[in-house]
Amino acid sequence: EGQLVESGGGLAQPGRSLRLSCDASGLNLRNYLMSWVRQAPGKGLEWISDINSGSRTVHYADSVKGRFITSRDNAKNSLYLQMNSLRVEDTAVYYCASTVLALVRRFDNWGQGTLVTVSS
Amino acid sequence: DIQLTQSPSSLSASVGDRVTITCRTSQYVRNYLNWYQQKPGKSPKLLIFAASNLQSGIPSRFSGSGSDTEFSLTISSLQPEDFATYYCQQSITYPWTFGQGTKIEI
Repeated sequence: EGQLVESGGGLAQPGRSLRLSCDASGLNLRNYLMSWVRQAPGKGLEWISDINSGSRTVHYADSVKGRFITSRDNAKNSLYLQMNSLRVEDTAVYYCASTVLALVRRFDNWGQGTLVTVSS
Repeated sequence: DIQLTQSPSSLSASVGDRVTITCRTSQYVRNYLNWYQQKPGKSPKLLIFAASNLQSGIPSRFSGSGSDTEFSLTISSLQPEDFATYYCQQSITYPWTFGQGTKIEI
């Protein structure tokens, strides 16, 4: 089974930026829709973005639209999340997840997550 | 956005119990409904996709049913490793949304 590994999390001040990466091994990301899902401390899961295989279509949740940018590099087998204008409420564990290209989309493989803390 | 409401939000159960969690959606989602399990400090794991299909490697004591706006996840005989939080999720329309979670405690 493939593995997804997120990195790039840490502490950032409000208004600053962070870039998360998700590196895949054992699976070819070219075959998957890729998503970012976050979980604030003690809270539930929130889907925030996904990107199709060819990077032509990207979707965002309203909570991050205009501030976050999702991209991917299939040659590097990697997914990215550029987080700009960070807010305190963006504090969360960020997971990348793969979605098999099937009729009913589902998150079939998840990374271990990376913690982003936004605080002054 | 489609709202997903799980019930109960938490429940106490014993090993061997039969447990059912319900997920109601605010709009029709046909069978575009998935279930995940999350243990503390771990990432979620897909259990059931398309309402009733068991993900590969998931024990057969887990089952899903329902369609349209009402769905359920059943664990036929609760095992110690099943104590966790469970989430439903719809993928019929963006933004994809999750239920608030159901925590199963001893």
